[in-house]
Amino acid sequence: QIQLVQSGPELKKPGESVKISCKASGYTFTDYAMHWVKQAPGKGLKWMGWINTYTGKPTYADDFKGRFVFSLEASASTANLQISNLKNEDTATYFCARDYSGDYWGQGVMVTVSS
Amino acid sequence: DIQMTQSPSLLSASVGDRVTINCKASQNINKYLNWYQQKLGEAPKLLIYNTNNLQTGIPSRFSGSGSGTDYTLTISSLQPEDFGTYFCFQHNSWPGTFGGGTKLELK
Repeated sequence: QIQLVQSGPELKKPGESVKISCKASGYTFTDYAMHWVKQAPGKGLKWMGWINTYTGKPTYADDFKGRFVFSLEASASTANLQISNLKNEDTATYFCARDYSGDYWGQGVMVTVSS
Repeated sequence: DIQMTQSPSLLSASVGDRVTINCKASQNINKYLNWYQQKLGEAPKLLIYNTNNLQTGIPSRFSGSGSGTDYTLTISSLQPEDFGTYFCFQHNSWPGTFGGGTKLELK
């Protein structure tokens, strides 16, 4: 069956970096783009952008340009999200989701940024 | 960016009730509207895609309708497992945008 399994929770200090992974199984990884979605505590969902899993080309929503990097380990059917120079407002759960339709989602990774 | 205004933000209902949740887009989204259910601590689950297409495995009591800027999710007979938060999402234009959510709670 189709699954997206994300890495575990992270606790970081402001200014540090974090890398979150999303491992896909049950389908051909390069057939579907991988999207990323942010959910701050108690808040709604915000679409961050996506990566073309065939070409590796990322596309970022305006609020996520600069410190956010989408990447792939295609041989491992894995998409990654790296956030650098972490800020308190990056505290959130980050989800990967297959395709723009979001038909399958990872379980989410809670990233806590605190001094 | 397209703004998605979802209403109501809070809905109290009983098992067996028929409920509707609305989403209004700031411009025409050509039926590229999905509905998700999210329970506490879980990932969103796709219920309806492209306005009125039921995702595989989702019970038929869920249905969607709409066109242009106005869209509706209907649950025909509320079941205990339906309580949670519902979000709409437009993917007609980049960037995709979500509604603010509707928390469906037990009356």
